[in-house]
Amino acid sequence: DSGVTQTPKHLITATGQRVTLRCSPRSGDLSVYWYQQSLDQGLQFLIQYYNGEERAKGNILERFSAQQFPDLHSELNLSSLELGDSALYFCASSVGQGRAYEQYFGPGTRLTVT
Amino acid sequence: GNSVTQMEGPVTLSEEAFLTINCTYTATGYPSLFWYVQYPGEGLQLLLKATKADDKGSNKGFEATYRKETTSFHLEKGSVQVSDSAVYFCALSDRDYQLIWGAGTKLIIKP
Repeated sequence: DSGVTQTPKHLITATGQRVTLRCSPRSGDLSVYWYQQSLDQGLQFLIQYYNGEERAKGNILERFSAQQFPDLHSELNLSSLELGDSALYFCASSVGQGRAYEQYFGPGTRLTVT
Repeated sequence: GNSVTQMEGPVTLSEEAFLTINCTYTATGYPSLFWYVQYPGEGLQLLLKATKADDKGSNKGFEATYRKETTSFHLEKGSVQVSDSAVYFCALSDRDYQLIWGAGTKLIIKP
C-alpha cells in the first residue's frame, strides 16, 4: 500500500459526459501528479501540482482540468468525454518536487467511456 | 526531448533464470532514473532508482546501474521467481520533474 488513495476504482460513463477523479496523496506529500495509461499511448504525464499551485503540464487535453485543494487532495475533471478517453488514470505524490524525489502511485481509476 | 526506450516484450523465462531488461534513455540534463513494476490489476510500484552516474539501485534482488557513457539503466536479477511476473517500466525524471516512461516490458516466468 503506497498511501495514495484514488476514488472511484472504476467508472463507466457515456460519451459527452463529465466525470471527476479524486486523489489523496500520502501524508506529508505536497506534490501531486496525474498520469494516463492507455493501450495505444502507454503512460503519459498529464499535470502536476505542488502545494496547491500548478507546476507542470504535459499532454493534457483542453477538455481536462485539475486542481489541488488546501488539504492537498487533488481532483482531475474530464469533460465532453470521448471513446478514446477510456484509460487507467493514476495519481502519484511525492514529498517535494525535484528529479530525485520518488513518486508513489495510487491504485488508479479505470475509466470506460461507452 | 527526453525519451526512454525499453526492450519489447514479452520476455519469457524459466524460474531461476537470469533476467536482463534493457533500458536506454535520451535526456538533455542529468536525469534521475527509475524502474517501476506493475503487477496484474494493480498500480505502479517503485522498484529502484538511481540519481547520478554510476549509482546502483537495488531492491528485492533486482539491480540497475546508471551508465552515463552508454545512457543505459538495464534491470537485472540473478534468479527470477514466478512471482516476478509483471510489467516493468523504466522511467526518467529531469528538470521538469515529471516522469517520462518507457513502453513497458511484460515479464512471464514459467515454473
